[in-house]
Amino acid sequence: QVQLVESGGDVVQSGRPLRLSCAASGFTFSNYGMYWVRQAPGKGLQWVAVISYDGRNKYYEDSVKGRFTISRDNSKNTLYLQLNSLRPDDTAVYYCARDRVGYVWGNGMDVWGRGTTVTVSS
Amino acid sequence: DIQVTQSPSSLSASVGDRVTITCRASPSITSSLNWYQHKPGTAPKLLIYDASRLQAGVPSRFSASGSGTDFTLTISSLQPEDFATYYCQQTYNPPHSFGQGTKLEIK
Repeated sequence: QVQLVESGGDVVQSGRPLRLSCAASGFTFSNYGMYWVRQAPGKGLQWVAVISYDGRNKYYEDSVKGRFTISRDNSKNTLYLQLNSLRPDDTAVYYCARDRVGYVWGNGMDVWGRGTTVTVSS
Repeated sequence: DIQVTQSPSSLSASVGDRVTITCRASPSITSSLNWYQHKPGTAPKLLIYDASRLQAGVPSRFSASGSGTDFTLTISSLQPEDFATYYCQQTYNPPHSFGQGTKLEIK
C-alpha cells in the first residue's frame, strides 16, 4: 500500500548535524513533489520545505533556510532532509508528506508518514 | 509571506453538535486552502483541498467553503472520532503556511 516511513531522528547537541530519511513505497515516487513538516512539542504543524518531483526546485521556510537541505534520490524512492547548525527550537517530530497531485506542488498533502523525533539539547 | 490566522484556538462541543472553524488569509489566496485533521501520535489527515473539495474517503459530514481571504470548515454532526486538532493550510505560494490549529474537545 502507499506508505511513507521516516527515520533518522535522534537526540543531538546544539550545532551538530543530522540527516532524516523518508522511504516511499506503493506509488511512483519520482512523479510527486514531496514535503517536510514538523511539530514542536505542544505546538502546531509547521511547514518546513518542499522539493519538486525531479528535485530541481526547492523551497524552505525562513527559519531553516541556509541550515536545512531537502533532497531526493528517485532511484532509491527516498526523500532526505539534512539538518545543519541545529538549535534547541528545531526540536520536533518531523513528518514527510506527498503532494496530492503528481508533477506539481501546492495541492495539499495526501500521504503522510508517522514522523521521526529530533531532540536538540543545548 | 502569506499569513494564515485560524480561530478559535480551542472549542468544546458535544457529540451531534455542528461546529465551524474559521481561517483567514492575508493577502488573498483564491481557493488554495486545505484542511487537515491531526490526532496525537498519528499522521495528519487531509480532509479538504482547494477550499471545498472533499478528499476521497472523508465522511460527508465534513464540508468547507470560502475563497479569497475567508474560509470555513464545518462538521455537521460531531462523532466521537472527530475530536482532534484541525489545521488550515494555504498553498497559494510557498512557504505553504499552516494556521495555528483548533483543538476540538469533548464538552
